[in-house]
Amino acid sequence: QKEVEQNSGPLSVPEGAIASLNCTYSDRGSQSFFWYRQYSGKSPELIMFIYSNGDKEDGRFTAQLNKASQYVSLLIRDSQPSDSATYLCAVIGGNQFYFGTGTSLTVIP
Amino acid sequence: EAQVTQNPRYLITVTGKKLTVTCSQNMNHEYMSWYRQDPGLGLRQIYYSMNVEVTDKGDVPEGYKVSRKEKRNFPLILESPSPNQTSLYFCASSYRYEQFFGPGTRLTVL
Repeated sequence: QKEVEQNSGPLSVPEGAIASLNCTYSDRGSQSFFWYRQYSGKSPELIMFIYSNGDKEDGRFTAQLNKASQYVSLLIRDSQPSDSATYLCAVIGGNQFYFGTGTSLTVIP
Repeated sequence: EAQVTQNPRYLITVTGKKLTVTCSQNMNHEYMSWYRQDPGLGLRQIYYSMNVEVTDKGDVPEGYKVSRKEKRNFPLILESPSPNQTSLYFCASSYRYEQFFGPGTRLTVL
């Protein structure tokens, strides 16, 4: 059973701060890693994906991957109230997706 | 508009009454899948399909069936629903492995 672990939170940060979301995975053979954002009552939407060790930046979002430690993180810089949502980490093993249970983020104005 | 559609969006039914949830995508994606989302358990993949006529079990396939006769459609069938299948269901389609989710179907089985 492949596992993806996330702290459920809730995580609260003040507006303008950096939010740091973490995820670990059990399958060392996993190759692709994804971060989804899910607003309450809505469907998940993809915000970042990363395949290689290191950092990948897209606007205010940075995904970090460390395959040796089986760890992937998402940093949100200059957090805004509109970033308040649940963030889901996902990995792909074979052709199957495995999701964490999500971390709830609240950005306080 | 590129999208994944699901119908119905809400459904209340009774134990044992067969039902089908439809899923359709207009992005010509080869990969499609079904998930259920439950509090504390997250998103779990039920079935997925790499292409027409190719389907595979995910983590929680028991009590579900799927078919992929056309590229755009991937219906989820519950032949004899039970209360433990009460959940929020999402269909998704993927370009490579970048998934696009439908709006969800909230199913209640009494």
